[in-house]
Amino acid sequence: SQKIEQNSEALNIQEGKTATLTCNYTNYSPAYLQWYRQDPGRGPVFLLLIRENEKEKRKERLKVTFDTTLKQSLFHITASQPADSATYLCALSRGFNKFYFGSGTKLNVKP
Amino acid sequence: GAVVSQHPSWVICKSGTSVKIECRSLDFQATTMFWYRQFPKQSLMLMATSNEGSKATYEQGVEKDKFLINHASLTLSTLTVTSAHPEDSSFYICSASPPLGTDTQYFGPGTRLTVL
Repeated sequence: SQKIEQNSEALNIQEGKTATLTCNYTNYSPAYLQWYRQDPGRGPVFLLLIRENEKEKRKERLKVTFDTTLKQSLFHITASQPADSATYLCALSRGFNKFYFGSGTKLNVKP
Repeated sequence: GAVVSQHPSWVICKSGTSVKIECRSLDFQATTMFWYRQFPKQSLMLMATSNEGSKATYEQGVEKDKFLINHASLTLSTLTVTSAHPEDSSFYICSASPPLGTDTQYFGPGTRLTVL
């Protein structure tokens, strides 16, 4: 079965720095990869989607890369702010909106 | 943007009782909805795909007689946890996708179930 790995340790960074989160996967060939933000006790909120034929996607302070050879996606938040503190989940799919999620990485941005 | 609601937001029940959770797409029609469960500090685990007008498709290891799913309309799917036990205590989240043309799914706020 597919395995999706995100760093289980929290990422602590200083405000203003760039946060980089990693998502690695095995036994799977996704057509789509998404990143979500989840706050405690809440449902995930969609951030970005990238397709298998795309290398990079940007949205405001967010950037996602997708390397199908390395089976890895990187998620960057530039000029991070304390309000960016949350758990970030990656999710993979072959289509039809059926996604499988990683365990998430908690980001703490300190003022 | 598209909004998905869930009701109730939290529920406490006694062991052996059944609990129904509703998932509604408020401003769009969804032929497909998904149900997930999430344990503390763990990721979302896909339980089943709810299809309007047909039977749900369950993921491996999920008991369909335990978790009954009904998708009676294009805006409503329900998950019923039957004969609930303490190990069913979890955070249940649904998601829905707008019609063709988007690869995005929108999540509800989740329902916290505690079985005593």
